[in-house]
Amino acid sequence: SAVISQKPSRDICQRGTSLTIQCQVDSQVTMMFWYRQQPGQSLTLIATANQGSEATYESGFVIDKFPISRPNLTFSTLTVSNLSPEDSSIYLCSVDSTWGEQFFGPGTRLTVL
Amino acid sequence: GENVEQHPSTLSVQEGDSAVIKCTYSDSASNYFPWYKQELGKRPQLIIDIRSNVGEKKDQRIAVTLNKTAKHFSLHITETQPEDSAVYFCAAGLFGNEKLTFGTGTRLTIIP
Repeated sequence: SAVISQKPSRDICQRGTSLTIQCQVDSQVTMMFWYRQQPGQSLTLIATANQGSEATYESGFVIDKFPISRPNLTFSTLTVSNLSPEDSSIYLCSVDSTWGEQFFGPGTRLTVL
Repeated sequence: GENVEQHPSTLSVQEGDSAVIKCTYSDSASNYFPWYKQELGKRPQLIIDIRSNVGEKKDQRIAVTLNKTAKHFSLHITETQPEDSAVYFCAAGLFGNEKLTFGTGTRLTIIP
């Protein structure tokens, strides 16, 4: 499976600021995904990031709050904007494999004060 | 859209016994059903998956069964060990589409 890294691994931010999370894969992948996992909860898909086109957002998530970039086939960023305490979560990127399986990055733990 | 329900939310099992976690899905078009294991503070890890063209798949102590008619699938862990303690998530989606809907998770505790 692909090796996926995320930066930062954790951060503490003040409300009203923004955090940009990076996701790097060691091989080219077609689709990258961004998930949110609130404390003690399941995984919720935020958006699908495709190279060369705008991200596709799920219901309840908007581009102004969660802008995503996908400049190439190995990298993507997720920005969480105008932070509030409700944004405190783990944010995970994932990628699809050649065989259609989905693998996750290590996650970014965000705490908003 | 797809809706996945997962039961139970918590499960305690004596070491060596079997554990079963069940999920139901709503979208009959879904044809891909992976299971993830998430240890505390770690990323979800794919442990087994099944596609709708088979009814059962086994990998050592782990097996998954699928009933397309009833729209439910289950994870079976036999001869449980302390390292099986984790949160397990089922998911459903369209193979090749990779958009997954996750269940709410089951916290499995293996009692030594």
